Amino acid sequence: QSALTQPASVSGSPGQSITISCTGTSSDLGSSKYVSWYQQHPGRVPKFIISEVTNRPSGVSDRFSGSKSGYTASLTISGLQAEDEADYYCSSYTTSGTWIFGGGTKLTVL
Amino acid sequence: EVRLVESGGDLVQPGGSLRLSCVASGFTFSSYWMHWVRQAPGKGLEWVSRIHNEGSTIGYADSVKGRFTTSRDNAKNTLYLQMNSLRVEDTAVYYCAGFSVFAWGQGTLVTVSS
Repeated sequence: QSALTQPASVSGSPGQSITISCTGTSSDLGSSKYVSWYQQHPGRVPKFIISEVTNRPSGVSDRFSGSKSGYTASLTISGLQAEDEADYYCSSYTTSGTWIFGGGTKLTVL
Repeated sequence: EVRLVESGGDLVQPGGSLRLSCVASGFTFSSYWMHWVRQAPGKGLEWVSRIHNEGSTIGYADSVKGRFTTSRDNAKNTLYLQMNSLRVEDTAVYYCAGFSVFAWGQGTLVTVSS
């Protein structure tokens, strides 16, 4: 199964808001409530920032929010900060009983 | 504190085998599905496998199906990944993860090379 589709890179200035999209199919994003987002800084372990489409685990800043419409999930980061510069990945449960990740998006804070 | 600690990564020749372990603490291990996820050098995350909390159902990515076997020992709070017929393209950092407890291990490096 092919990876979920994410833009390779996005950028924004401090204080701005950015949105990262994640596009799938009817077999994954289109039918799953188990959509998650992860943040990974270089050389570090991935960190959960959104689960089940919109839920933020305890300790995650409310500047991070998730949504989904049809076959596309989105991660929005508001009030962009330098520390947000990282790679971001989406994932989804699939109708085959497996999980699938997006290819990852590199966020640059200008 | 939820904690996952992997071990077992090593340098192995193509066609060889390796077993990874992941010891869990800080949560009721036997109540949660567990996953293996890998990341090749400089690449993105790839889901590898998941196992039901009682071990009754197990799923694999097509790329490892038939070669990798996931198991767990709830009495030891330990998750395993038996990797056989290893290929160069299996080279990666392997993470165990508990998606429902928002936890990842620190990863263990598997290098397949002659």
